Amino acid sequence: AQSVAQPEDQVNVAEGNPLTVKCTYSVSGNPYLFWYVQYPNRGLQFLLKYITGDNLVKGSYGFEAEFNKSQTSFHLKKPSALVSDSALYFCAVRDPSMGGATNKLIFGTGTLLAVQP
Amino acid sequence: ETGVTQTPRHLVMGMTNKKSLKCEQHLGHNAMYWYKQSAKKPLELMFVYSLEERVENNSVPSRFSPECPNSSHLFLHLHTLQPEDSALYLCASSQGTRGVSTGELFFGEGSRLTVL
Repeated sequence: AQSVAQPEDQVNVAEGNPLTVKCTYSVSGNPYLFWYVQYPNRGLQFLLKYITGDNLVKGSYGFEAEFNKSQTSFHLKKPSALVSDSALYFCAVRDPSMGGATNKLIFGTGTLLAVQP
Repeated sequence: ETGVTQTPRHLVMGMTNKKSLKCEQHLGHNAMYWYKQSAKKPLELMFVYSLEERVENNSVPSRFSPECPNSSHLFLHLHTLQPEDSALYLCASSQGTRGVSTGELFFGEGSRLTVL
């Protein structure tokens, strides 16, 4: 069965330092991977996705993610964290069993990123 | 400001009440979704509609009843809910294409439901 794991409930980082939020996946076939961010009392916002091509994907707000097939990972990174990056981050994988015009995503449990001033 | 609007943002109801959650997308998408978000749990996909036809129903209890009258609107009708149904209910939409759709989902801001 398809699944996504986010091993850290919370990540703490000082402002200006690089950050990494980890994600590993298990999926049959080619993985389609996504990162979303959720600010307090808001819905999820799309950050970036990996479909094919270059393993390093660049997204919104200076975030990027690296697809590593051998390690089945898709870690989210940013070179220099901001206090405003503090939020809940979700990794997701597309369920390949659903074809057609829908994009069924399986989400991880989320990682709370706390950036200290 | 997102292109997916959910109302109401907050709802408190008793176990015997009947209420509905509404979702409207202004993005011209052809697929809509209901997700349930509970604390410390992964987002749970409840229903998926493609071109107004339900294509997924993830063993959701019958006290939740979805309705998709057109490609822009999605409802979730609620009746005789339980306290454990208290959660944030998120609506999303996406644009499907021929073959495998990999378009991202656009989410609304959610409806926070509390069942007393």
